[in-house]
Amino acid sequence: QSALTQPASVSGSPGQSITISCAGSSSDVGGYNFVSWYQQHPGKAPKLLIYDVFTRPSGVSHRFSGSKSGNTASLTISGLAAEDEADYYCNSYTTSSTVVFGGGTRLTVL
Amino acid sequence: EVQLVESGGVVVQPGGSLRLSCVASGFTFDDYNIHWIRQAPGKGLQWVSLISWDGTSTYYGDSVQGRFTVSRDNSKNSLYLQMNSLSTEDTALYYCARDQGRWNPATFNFDYWGQGTLVTVSS
Repeated sequence: QSALTQPASVSGSPGQSITISCAGSSSDVGGYNFVSWYQQHPGKAPKLLIYDVFTRPSGVSHRFSGSKSGNTASLTISGLAAEDEADYYCNSYTTSSTVVFGGGTRLTVL
Repeated sequence: EVQLVESGGVVVQPGGSLRLSCVASGFTFDDYNIHWIRQAPGKGLQWVSLISWDGTSTYYGDSVQGRFTVSRDNSKNSLYLQMNSLSTEDTALYYCARDQGRWNPATFNFDYWGQGTLVTVSS
């Protein structure tokens, strides 16, 4: 199963909005509404941000939102803050009854 | 407070074997499916394995199928990963992570993670 495709890096200034894409295929992202997103700060374990394409777990800021169109999912972070600087990973269920992660995106807050 | 604590990571030679452990607390362990996920140094996340809440079903990623075996002892709130025929490509930080849903089916959403245990395969 090939990894989902994410941009290696994105950046934005405080207060701006950014979007991270996650491209897959009809065998994963496009075939199921089971896309999740994780945030990972350096030296820390990942944190679940979004699941089932757009659902936020309790306690996750409303500044994080998810969406999907065809074979591509997206994570949007609005009102960028310094603490958002981290690595972000998408994940999708697949036709193999397993999951595949994206390669990760490093977000820099300028 | 939900906690997952991994252990057992060491330096091992190529071709060797290793058993990782994960001890859980703060939740009803035998209600939840549990996953192993790994991260090579400086690289991304890779799903490794899933074991069902009752231990009767197991699933593996292609890269470890046939070499790794996941098991659990619900009486000890513990999860294990037996790793055989290790190669340098298995070098990674290994996390155990709780599946968000209780019982079946697994959601493959990982809502709690441990801090990981480092496995280094090197001669």
